[in-house]
Amino acid sequence: DVKVTQSSRYLVKRTGEKVFLECVQDMDHENMFWYRQDPGLGLRLIYFSYDVKMKEKGDIPEGYSVSREKKERFSLILESASTNQTSMYLCASNPRGYQPQHFGDGTRLSIL
Amino acid sequence: GNSVTQMEGPVTLSEEAFLTINCTYTATGYPSLFWYVQYPGEGLQLLLKATKADDKGSNKGFEATYRKETTSFHLEKGSVQVSDSAVYFCALNRNTGGFKTIFGAGTRLFVKA
Repeated sequence: DVKVTQSSRYLVKRTGEKVFLECVQDMDHENMFWYRQDPGLGLRLIYFSYDVKMKEKGDIPEGYSVSREKKERFSLILESASTNQTSMYLCASNPRGYQPQHFGDGTRLSIL
Repeated sequence: GNSVTQMEGPVTLSEEAFLTINCTYTATGYPSLFWYVQYPGEGLQLLLKATKADDKGSNKGFEATYRKETTSFHLEKGSVQVSDSAVYFCALNRNTGGFKTIFGAGTRLFVKA
């Protein structure tokens, strides 16, 4: 079974901090994705990557950046955390664009 | 553009009731269609899929049929259990090009004992 592991289930940070969310997948998937999930807004795509060192903006990239230095690892970076970035963050991967995505269990991030 | 519309929740049912969650889509070409489920405190997991018209996806007693003529992919289960309480997401992927999955807004299901 594919496993997508997010480094933290819960994280509390302060406004202005630089925050790193890490995601690792163990199935050699080409594509990796970062979403945020908020009540009433569903899943919104922040960034995705289709290869090492390649990245594309999703629907809400403002305030975020990403890094993919190795195929199995995709990091989401909040450059200067703000309270409106308090949310559930979900990482996902898939082998090809048209195939189902495999999700991690999420990181619930609170910015105080 | 591509989009997915699913019925608003929450849906509340008694155990052993019949479940339908409606999903319709707009897409160019011939997308693959999916239902994902999210149990409390977890990420999404694939429930079932269908890759072409008239395909029926099924898993754990859930079924959905890819209807191109009505652009629909409704989720059904004949007898729900308390353990089916979760949020259900309808989604589509384009089969040619593109990387994005388009998700519906999700429908929360509560099943009472």
